[in-house]
Amino acid sequence: GAVVSQHPSRVICKSGTSVKIECRSLDFQATTMFWYRQFPKQSLMLMATSNEGSKATYEQGVEKDKFLINHASLTLSTLTVTSAHPEDSSFYICSARRRERENQPQHFGDGTRLSIL
Amino acid sequence: QKEVEQDPGPLSVPEGAIVSLNCTYSNSAFQYFMWYRQYSRKGPELLMYTYSSGNKEDGRFTAQVDKSSKYISLFIRDSQPSDSATYLCAMKGDTGGFKTIFGAGTRLFVKA
Repeated sequence: GAVVSQHPSRVICKSGTSVKIECRSLDFQATTMFWYRQFPKQSLMLMATSNEGSKATYEQGVEKDKFLINHASLTLSTLTVTSAHPEDSSFYICSARRRERENQPQHFGDGTRLSIL
Repeated sequence: QKEVEQDPGPLSVPEGAIVSLNCTYSNSAFQYFMWYRQYSRKGPELLMYTYSSGNKEDGRFTAQVDKSSKYISLFIRDSQPSDSATYLCAMKGDTGGFKTIFGAGTRLFVKA
């Protein structure tokens, strides 16, 4: 089956630090990747849609300058949380969809637990 | 009204029970329906994927879609403690412009 790798799985850092999270599709090309945020016991909240070779599309209320997304290749998207603060602490999950299979389901990475002290 | 409604539970059942998980939705344009399983501190894992109405079976899991009632279900037969997880329903429309909409997730506990 499709595999999506997300790294790192856990980050603990000081307030003001910028943190980069990588999302890779290991056995398929992904034109589109998605970044979600999940609070404890809550569902997934879509933050942005990452499109290879173009700017990401952000959901309403998500700060573009705070959450920088780069999708430089068909197998890699990165999310950088800039100048992170304690309120940015959360579980961040990426997902990817196979290229040219827009109606196929997304496959998820294992998430990154971010803790800002 | 949310586009997708899912009871968050928790739902607690004894080992071996048949589990029924459900979602309702309001957007008649949804055509693709999915169920994901999410273990604690992990990403969601795709369990079932169906198009339009009907049933789909895979081992102990059966997914049902009733588009006339805007109601989908996931049945788990002979439930095991390892089935304890959060189950998320998800759905999307038929064109690339549609986003996938997720339910809130139902927490399931299967007691040995």
